[in-house]
Amino acid sequence: DAMVIQNPRYQVTQFGKPVTLSCSQTLNHNVMYWYQQKSSQAPKLLFHYYDKDFNNEADTPDNFQSRRPNTSFCFLDIRSPGLGDAAMYLCATSRPPFLAGGPHTQYFGPGTRLTVL
Amino acid sequence: EDKVVQSPLSLVVHEGDTVTLNCSYEVTNFRSLLWYKQEKKAPTFLFMLTSSGIEKKSGRLSSILDKKELFSILNITATQTGDSAIYLCAVYSGGSNYKLTFGKGTLLTVNP
Repeated sequence: DAMVIQNPRYQVTQFGKPVTLSCSQTLNHNVMYWYQQKSSQAPKLLFHYYDKDFNNEADTPDNFQSRRPNTSFCFLDIRSPGLGDAAMYLCATSRPPFLAGGPHTQYFGPGTRLTVL
Repeated sequence: EDKVVQSPLSLVVHEGDTVTLNCSYEVTNFRSLLWYKQEKKAPTFLFMLTSSGIEKKSGRLSSILDKKELFSILNITATQTGDSAIYLCAVYSGGSNYKLTFGKGTLLTVNP
């Protein structure tokens, strides 16, 4: 089945130790998103890729970076995790916004829960 | 700044009850409104509403959008324990770059 896959599902890291979260998709969607969701809060968009075009949200800290080597994969790098970065990180994909009938539904992966010690 | 507000924040009901979840929004250049169900993992898509007054229905779940009053409701009839989840409302808005803004969600607990 076509889907959005995130690895790992649970990640524990130490304060200041870089960590990389992975997302892959078999939907062949052009757009991939990374969200941060803290407990009892709404998912917050960090950035998204439209093909290779990177779009950063204005309030996303520099500590968060992303790479998209190809259509299927997208990575979230946290260069120096702080205690405040502990959260669920959600990857989502969608068809291009301007495609006929858009905007289009975003499909989410299962998320990676990050713990920072 | 775009804003999506859901109410109530949490709700506890008994199996068989009917519930109504609310979502109001203030956004620039509204495009569509989406409802998601989130259990202990990622949100799963329920409905997308673009046109006012047209009900979307899937089994015991239904939703309707009022673009004049800027809100949507999600109805669940004959609730089951499996309906227990966080229900997220999100709104697509924007001009050249669509943006999805989420509400904080309503935590629904259905007790046997």
